[in-house]
Amino acid sequence: DAGVTQSPTHLIKTRGQQVTLRCSPKSGHDTVSWYQQALGQGPQFIFQYYEEEERQRGNFPDRFSGHQFPNYSSELNVNALLLGDSALYLCASSSHGRRAFFGQGTRLTVV
Amino acid sequence: GENVEQHPSTLSVQEGDSAVIKCTYSDSASNYFPWYKQELGKRPQLIIDIRSNVGEKKDQRIAVTLNKTAKHFSLHITETQPEDSAVYFCAAASAGGTSYGKLTFGQGTILTVHP
Repeated sequence: DAGVTQSPTHLIKTRGQQVTLRCSPKSGHDTVSWYQQALGQGPQFIFQYYEEEERQRGNFPDRFSGHQFPNYSSELNVNALLLGDSALYLCASSSHGRRAFFGQGTRLTVV
Repeated sequence: GENVEQHPSTLSVQEGDSAVIKCTYSDSASNYFPWYKQELGKRPQLIIDIRSNVGEKKDQRIAVTLNKTAKHFSLHITETQPEDSAVYFCAAASAGGTSYGKLTFGQGTILTVHP
């Protein structure tokens, strides 16, 4: 039984570019949440998707957008990248929004 | 919104000692409190969680206590081992029905267990 998987594991982008990160939830899970974890900090909630709709959103600008597909997988898109967007992006999946299990994350570096 | 404070930021213990990490939360609507362990370069791993209708929960060497009145909860690790060394995060969330919304995390505690 595969856990939560994310791709890619590492990514380097230039300021102003756009990036798409991907997440496949744990088998049987229908809810996907995205978090941004800066170095030495706790994860910060970006948004949560359930039934292909954004159910809840944290304090992130509109440059951060997402999508959930019918198979429950999800994408996080970030436009007009800033240096401050460099972080570990974590995806967490859960069943009906219960216990959340995290993927290994995507390390994004913006140069 | 919810705010979670976590203390201490670093904790150093000898193998076999106990370790206690404390968190306070601000939103009285929060009713779900998980703890995650994150080793260097790895994903946060759920180690124990507690709901607001329970005051204490134990799983082998790990226990969590919750004081709703004071809005604080704590992680207790007994008989610590070097492999317990990691960053520990507390979090809080409010559940609408059976669904937990966003997790608000504390700043993390770096636990070091010396052999």
